[in-house]
Amino acid sequence: EAQVTQNPRYLITVTGKKLTVTCSQNMNHEYMSWYRQDPGLGLRQIYYSMNVEVTDKGDVPEGYKVSRKEKRNFPLILESPSPNQTSLYFCASSLGRIGQPQHFGDGTRLSIL
Amino acid sequence: KNEVEQSPQNLTAQEGEFITINCSYSVGISALHWLQQHPGGGIVSLFMLSSGKKKHGRLIATINIQEKHSSLHITASHPRDSAVYICAAVGDKIIFGKGTRLHILP
Repeated sequence: EAQVTQNPRYLITVTGKKLTVTCSQNMNHEYMSWYRQDPGLGLRQIYYSMNVEVTDKGDVPEGYKVSRKEKRNFPLILESPSPNQTSLYFCASSLGRIGQPQHFGDGTRLSIL
Repeated sequence: KNEVEQSPQNLTAQEGEFITINCSYSVGISALHWLQQHPGGGIVSLFMLSSGKKKHGRLIATINIQEKHSSLHITASHPRDSAVYICAAVGDKIIFGKGTRLHILP
C-alpha cells in the first residue's frame, strides 16, 4: 500500500530536549516536504527536498533541521525544542513539486512543555 | 492581506445541496492544489490543476488563471463530505489558504 509514515504520532516533551520526527515513503517519490499546522495560521511549509541531498527552506524553517540521505526518508529534527514549536506536523511526498498531488502522512502532534 | 484567501470560512448545508468553495490568490502560481482534511486530521489531495477544470466523482475544481481564482464544487453533497477544504498556491513557495470548514446536515 502506497503510504507516507510518520513517527511518532504523538509526543509530549520538554524544552531543550532534542527530538526527531521520522518520515518515510514507499512510492519512490522525489519530492518530500514538512509542514506545520496551527490554529488560525493554517498549514505552513517548514522545509522541502527536491531529491536526495537537496533540501531547501520553506516559510518557517527557524528551529528545525532536515536531512535527505535516502530517497525514502526525510526526518525532521528539533535540536532544542521550544514551546512555540508545539504544533501538528505533516510530512508529504510527491513525484514532483509542480503538477503532482501530494501524499500526506497522518500527522504528528507535538507538545513542548 | 493574505496571499491566498478562501471563502466562506464556514459553511453548513443540507444533504443534497450544491456546494461551492472559493479560493483567490495574489501570487504567481504554477498550479493550484485542493486538499481535504478529515475531522480526524488526515489530509487527502483532491486536485492539482494549472488550467481549466478537473472532475472526480461528485467533485469539480476549476481555475481561472487571469482572475487568479479557483473554485471547488461538490454536487449532491453528503454528510461524509463534512471536512475542512484547503487550497494551496504552488509557485516558488507553497502557500495555503486557512481552509473552509464544511458541515453537511443529513
